[in-house]
Amino acid sequence: GAGVSQTPSNKVTEKGKYVELRCDPISGHTALYWYRQSLGQGPEFLIYFQGTGAADDSGLPNDRFFAVRPEGSVSTLKIQRTERGDSAVYLCASSPRGPTDTQYFGPGTRLTVL
Amino acid sequence: EDKVVQSPLSLVVHEGDTVTLNCSYEVTNFRSLLWYKQEKKAPTFLFMLTSSGIEKKSGRLSSILDKKELFSILNITATQTGDSAIYLCAPVIQGAQKLVFGQGTRLTINP
Repeated sequence: GAGVSQTPSNKVTEKGKYVELRCDPISGHTALYWYRQSLGQGPEFLIYFQGTGAADDSGLPNDRFFAVRPEGSVSTLKIQRTERGDSAVYLCASSPRGPTDTQYFGPGTRLTVL
Repeated sequence: EDKVVQSPLSLVVHEGDTVTLNCSYEVTNFRSLLWYKQEKKAPTFLFMLTSSGIEKKSGRLSSILDKKELFSILNITATQTGDSAIYLCAPVIQGAQKLVFGQGTRLTINP
């Protein structure tokens, strides 16, 4: 596709459930990032992939959060045992080579945990 | 700890006005600074600034970086209602793996 796509656009779940959020980066971009944005705040870094490997996962808040990118393209962010505090917009971005390139963002997934 | 502060946090002006948005930063190993516009969900790229004192321009938007005083400004002239958005800045840190965003400036342009 022409840009970064994310699915679903909205996800409502109940506390304690498991969710998966998908990101399809710009074709050919080797770097992929996940951010989380709470209301009234700028995006907050979660994890960065270079190819298939997580080069930096220092932003993941706890071990309930996990992300994969098995073939170096599509990535899935997985959240176990969701909590109300996980409610936010989850943004994915990609860049051609790495963090010093411009990052291009997807439309995000709005996660609501009831 | 890396720090990015944007001001004002919120700004309401009338169509046709000129606005200046500020971004100050304290980061180690600064490389460049990015500006994004966020209307609904996806931040869209506006500018990448690497050199001090060189203005980048795109239509009614322009931006400049001061690496000595550690800030950048984004100017919008002859504002239109379509300029209403959140404007985010983020310094790029050499060797770092992530962007650190400011809180953003919410700009509202009233007709």
